[in-house]
Amino acid sequence: GNSVTQMEGPVTLSEEAFLTINCTYTATGYPSLFWYVQYPGEGLQLLLKATKADDKGSNKGFEATYRKETTSFHLEKGSVQVSDSAVYFCALRPGTGRRALTFGSGTRLQVQP
Amino acid sequence: NAGVTQTPKFQVLKTGQSMTLQCAQDMNHNSMYWYRQDPGMGLRLIYYSASEGTTDKGEVPNGYNVSRLNKREFSLRLESAAPSQTSVYFCASRETGQGKTGELFFGEGSRLTVL
Repeated sequence: GNSVTQMEGPVTLSEEAFLTINCTYTATGYPSLFWYVQYPGEGLQLLLKATKADDKGSNKGFEATYRKETTSFHLEKGSVQVSDSAVYFCALRPGTGRRALTFGSGTRLQVQP
Repeated sequence: NAGVTQTPKFQVLKTGQSMTLQCAQDMNHNSMYWYRQDPGMGLRLIYYSASEGTTDKGEVPNGYNVSRLNKREFSLRLESAAPSQTSVYFCASRETGQGKTGELFFGEGSRLTVL
């Protein structure tokens, strides 16, 4: 079946540090990949996405590249801010069959001033 | 600017009680979903509705029922609540079709505690 594995959190960084949150997936065919962000007390919001191999999704300074050879979609940001503190979820949507999203367990990011 | 609206936001139940979580979206989306969020487990799909008049089981459907009342509304019912159903529940909707982004739009969540 389909699955998404994310690094355990929490990840604690100082402001302006470099961020990487690892995400790997298992899926048949050609899934679409997503990163969602959840701020405290809110629902999830789409951060970025990529629909095919070697696509790079980007938004708000965050980037992730769809790597089919390593089945990965790692999230990166060059310089984090306190306002980036949130829980980040990696997710996939299968290319065929049931098209609902499968989510990873989430990674909490805490950025300290 | 409502998007996806869930009610109630908080609820405390006793074991064996029943309740319904309501969800409505005003974006004219075809597909709607119910997820539960538990610590360390991410979001797990309970039920979904690909279009008005259809519903299908997700990963964790046991103990739940759903109704797609019309295109806007998708409710989740717990007939006999159990402590294992203590969780945060999220409703989501998605635009489908050729050329659509497929982005999921989420409500703010409903926190349910079963004693």
